[in-house]
Amino acid sequence: DAMVIQNPRYQVTQFGKPVTLSCSQTLNHNVMYWYQQKSSQAPKLLFHYYDKDFNNEADTPDNFQSRRPNTSFCFLDIRSPGLGDAAMYLCATSPDRVREETQYFGPGTRLLVL
Amino acid sequence: GNSVTQMEGPVTLSEEAFLTINCTYTATGYPSLFWYVQYPGEGLQLLLKATKADDKGSNKGFEATYRKETTSFHLEKGSVQVSDSAVYFCAALNTGFQKLVFGTGTRLLVSP
Repeated sequence: DAMVIQNPRYQVTQFGKPVTLSCSQTLNHNVMYWYQQKSSQAPKLLFHYYDKDFNNEADTPDNFQSRRPNTSFCFLDIRSPGLGDAAMYLCATSPDRVREETQYFGPGTRLLVL
Repeated sequence: GNSVTQMEGPVTLSEEAFLTINCTYTATGYPSLFWYVQYPGEGLQLLLKATKADDKGSNKGFEATYRKETTSFHLEKGSVQVSDSAVYFCAALNTGFQKLVFGTGTRLLVSP
C-alpha cells in the first residue's frame, strides 16, 4: 500500500543534543510537510517542500531545519532541542499545493527531550 | 488569514447516540474543508472533505456539508460506536497555498 512512513515512532534525546527525524513516502507526491503537534493542540506547520523548493513558516524557530534529498525522503533536524520541543512531529504529503488536494499524514514521531 | 473554530470537547456519548461536532471557518475566497480523525498515539487520518459549496463529504457513516451561507462544515454521524472515540479536527485550505489551518480539535468519548 502507498503510504507515508515515519521513523522512529518514538525518539528520546537529551537537552541540546541534535536529533533527526525521518519521513518517507511511496505516493510520489510533490509536496512534503512537517508539522509540530504539542499535547492537546492542533498541528502547527513548520515548513514544506514543493519539489525541491523549501518554504519556511515565518514563526518556525531557527533551531528547526529540513532536508529533502529526493522525492521520497524528507528529514527534520532539530539542532539543539529544548524541553519545549517535546511534541509529536507529523509528516504529510500531497500531490500538489492546490486547494482541492488532500494532505496525507504519517503516524508521527513522538519526541521526548530529557 | 484563515481560521477554523470547533466546539469545545470532550463530547461524551453513549453508543448508538447521534453525533454533531460544530465547525465554522473564516476565510478569503472559498476554501476546501476537511475533517481529520486522530486516534490515540497516531497521526491524522482524512475522514472526509468537500471542495465547494453544498458539497457533502461522507465516509464510514460520518457526513459533513459545506455551507457557504453559514460558513460551516459540521460533522455528523447517526449512530456512534465505541471505536469512534478519537480527536476530530476540522481544517480549511485556501487557494494560492495558504497553509492547512486546523481547529483546536474535539475529543469524542463513546461509552458502551
